[in-house]
Amino acid sequence: NAGVMQNPRHLVRRRGQEARLRCSPMKGHSHVYWYRQLPEEGLKFMVYLQKENIIDESGMPKERFSAEFPKEGPSILRIQQVVRGDSAAYFCASSRFSGANVLTFGAGSRLTVL
Amino acid sequence: DQQVKQNSPSLSVQEGRISILNCDYTNSMFDYFLWYKKYPAEGPTFLISISSIKDKNEDGRFTVFLNKSAKHLSLHIVPSQPGDSAVYFCAASYNAGNMLTFGGGTRLMVKP
Repeated sequence: NAGVMQNPRHLVRRRGQEARLRCSPMKGHSHVYWYRQLPEEGLKFMVYLQKENIIDESGMPKERFSAEFPKEGPSILRIQQVVRGDSAAYFCASSRFSGANVLTFGAGSRLTVL
Repeated sequence: DQQVKQNSPSLSVQEGRISILNCDYTNSMFDYFLWYKKYPAEGPTFLISISSIKDKNEDGRFTVFLNKSAKHLSLHIVPSQPGDSAVYFCAASYNAGNMLTFGGGTRLMVKP
């Protein structure tokens, strides 16, 4: 019973490149959430998705960031034209139901932008 | 605008004693509160939660207290163990939603 799987665990990109972070939710979970943790800060909500739908993207930066959760395959957080300020740990979480409150988190993907 | 605040970035406690971690919030709409524990290089793991209709919830060595009038909650760990050393995040949500608002975390160090 694998938990929430995120890959890659570490990603290094140069400014201007694209970063793609993947998240496979726990088995039986159809709700996926992405959070970002900047250095020395708490986790900040980015986006909430169900299969093929973005439910709430109120925490996503307006430009360069996008997320999807296709019918088949993992959820993907995509960051285009990365800048140094995008360096952070990106955590994915999943839940079985909406409104379940208790989220199960993955180990995170640490993005470093050179 | 930080809606959930953990004002102590770190706390050091002797093994066997009580650890008290504090959290304050400003949004009166919050109706569900959670504590997560995080070890380095791992994701946060759920520890304990409390609904706004209660003022206390206990699970083994962990107890969470909620003071709605003060918009304050605390996590008590007793007795503290070295394995409790981690970063503890307070989080809140409303309308039974899953969009959690996290505090900045408190690093707990339990010394043997």
